[in-house]
Amino acid sequence: GDSVTQMEGPVTLSEEAFLTINCTYTATGYPSLFWYVQYPGEGLQLLLKATKADDKGSNKGFEATYRKETTSFHLEKGSVQVSDSAVYFCALSDRGGSEKLVFGKGTKLTVNP
Amino acid sequence: GAVVSQHPSWVICKSGTSVKIECRSLDFQATTMFWYRQFPKQSLMLMATSNEGSKATYEQGVEKDKFLINHASLTLSTLTVTSAHPEDSSFYICSARGAGVREKLFFGSGTQLSVL
Repeated sequence: GDSVTQMEGPVTLSEEAFLTINCTYTATGYPSLFWYVQYPGEGLQLLLKATKADDKGSNKGFEATYRKETTSFHLEKGSVQVSDSAVYFCALSDRGGSEKLVFGKGTKLTVNP
Repeated sequence: GAVVSQHPSWVICKSGTSVKIECRSLDFQATTMFWYRQFPKQSLMLMATSNEGSKATYEQGVEKDKFLINHASLTLSTLTVTSAHPEDSSFYICSARGAGVREKLFFGSGTQLSVL
């Protein structure tokens, strides 16, 4: 079945450092890809998404590009802030109509001042 | 933005008792709600999907008699873990989707269940 693999954390960075969180997927068909973020004490929030190959999702300085050839959707940010500390989840949904989300394990990011 | 309230945020119970977790959409009508479970260092796993007014659809391997889901209104879904055992200890998260908003899910903040 469909699955998502993302790099294991935790990841600790200093403020203004470059961030990459790797995410690869396996799926039949052409899934939509998502990054969700969960700040402490809050629910998961959609950070960005891409619905087809070569699409780039972006939000709040974060970017991820849907790479069909490498089945990847890596999350990047050029300069992280303390407020970016959270758990990040990569996910895919089956565009065949079920619309179920398949999540990765989540990566905890801590940004130190 | 849309808010989903999940309650309680954590609960400790004795083995053999039942625990109810509530998921409410506060400012929109949730036609579909999803319940997920996450074990430590594991992925969020979908347990079941429920549409308002109909029976929930459970994922393979999830016992429907153990995890009772009720979605009786457009703003409330409940998950009841019946006769809880220590292996049911996990993090449970609900999400809700409003009418006409595809691929836009709103998540609760989760419930940490510990069964002693």
